[in-house]
Amino acid sequence: DVKVTQSSRYLVKRTGEKVFLECVQDMDHENMFWYRQDPGLGLRLIYFSYDVKMKEKGDIPEGYSVSREKKERFSLILESASTNQTSMYLCASRGQGSGNQPQHFGDGTRLSIL
Amino acid sequence: SQQGEEDPQALSIQEGENATMNCSYKTSINNLQWYRQNSGRGLVHLILIRSNEREKHSGRLRVTLDTSKKSSSLLITASRAADTASYFCATDTTGFQKLVFGTGTRLLVSP
Repeated sequence: DVKVTQSSRYLVKRTGEKVFLECVQDMDHENMFWYRQDPGLGLRLIYFSYDVKMKEKGDIPEGYSVSREKKERFSLILESASTNQTSMYLCASRGQGSGNQPQHFGDGTRLSIL
Repeated sequence: SQQGEEDPQALSIQEGENATMNCSYKTSINNLQWYRQNSGRGLVHLILIRSNEREKHSGRLRVTLDTSKKSSSLLITASRAADTASYFCATDTTGFQKLVFGTGTRLLVSP
């Protein structure tokens, strides 16, 4: 089974801090994704990556950056955390090949910015 | 941008009953996927239906797709308390697996 591991289940940070969320997958997947999930808004795509050192903006990239130095690891960075970035963050991965493959999700990081 | 809209937003049933959730979307798709999320956890993939398929089964799950109406339904038969979760549809419109998720249906199955 595919395993996507997010480094923290819960995280509390202060406004203005630089925050790193880490995600590792063990299936040699080319594609990795970062979403945030908020009540009533569903999942919204922040960034995705289709290869090492490659990244694409999603629907809500403002205030975030990403890093993919190794194939198995995709990091989400909050450059200067703000209270409106308090949310549940979900990482996912997907293999290459035809478009008809599912995404595999980690358990999420619930981030609170105080 | 929201592509899928689930209906109803919440559904409460008894164990043994069937649960039906609907998803509508706006643009042409390559496939539509259904995911489940237990409280406070990540999403788990349930089933994928391609745009040229009309119906698909997996255990107690049945998914239909009507591309002319841009809608899909997920039927869970003989529901169990363990089916209590939120269910999301997600559409793949580009073939690049950049999924767009709806806001979900919260299902409560009471013993």
